[in-house]
Amino acid sequence: DVKVTQSSRYLVKRTGEKVFLECVQDMDHENMFWYRQDPGLGLRLIYFSYDVKMKEKGDIPEGYSVSREKKERFSLILESASTNQTSMYLCASTRSQGWNQPQHFGDGTRLSIL
Amino acid sequence: AQKVTQAQTEISVVEKEDVTLDCVYETRDTTYYLFWYKQPPSGELVFLIRRNSFDEQNEISGRYSWNFQKSTSSFNFTITASQVVDSAVYFCALSRQAAGNKLTFGGGTRVLVKP
Repeated sequence: DVKVTQSSRYLVKRTGEKVFLECVQDMDHENMFWYRQDPGLGLRLIYFSYDVKMKEKGDIPEGYSVSREKKERFSLILESASTNQTSMYLCASTRSQGWNQPQHFGDGTRLSIL
Repeated sequence: AQKVTQAQTEISVVEKEDVTLDCVYETRDTTYYLFWYKQPPSGELVFLIRRNSFDEQNEISGRYSWNFQKSTSSFNFTITASQVVDSAVYFCALSRQAAGNKLTFGGGTRVLVKP
């Protein structure tokens, strides 16, 4: 089974801090995704990556950046955290050309910005 | 533009009742897939089913069944004889070949099954 692991389940940070959310998958998937989940809005795509060092903006990239230095690891970075970035963050992965394949998700990181 | 609408934000039922979750989608593409995911309280999204745009057969898996109707752009999900373990948030999602690997999610429906 594919395992997608997010480094933290819960995280509390302060406004203005630089925040790193880490995600690791163990199935050699080319594609990795970062979503944020807010009540009533479902999941919205922040960024995705289809290969090492490659990235594309999703629907809501403002205030975020990403890093993919190794195939198995995809990091989401909040350059200067703000309270409106308090949310649940979910990482997912799928193989290349996997548009018709289910994405595999991690358990999520619930981030609070105070 | 692509859109997935789950009009029901929350449904509460008593155990053993049936519950149907609605999903309506919008796309101009002819080639696409629809998915249902379950998110239990633990947080991880669990894949339940996918259906491609050329296959309108309904599907049954145990107590779960899905009704896909292209004519009404709907992909509804029914849980028969609900159980407490079915309590979760359920998401419908759309994947289009033209969009690569990006999914468009609905807002989710929270199902609460009371004993």
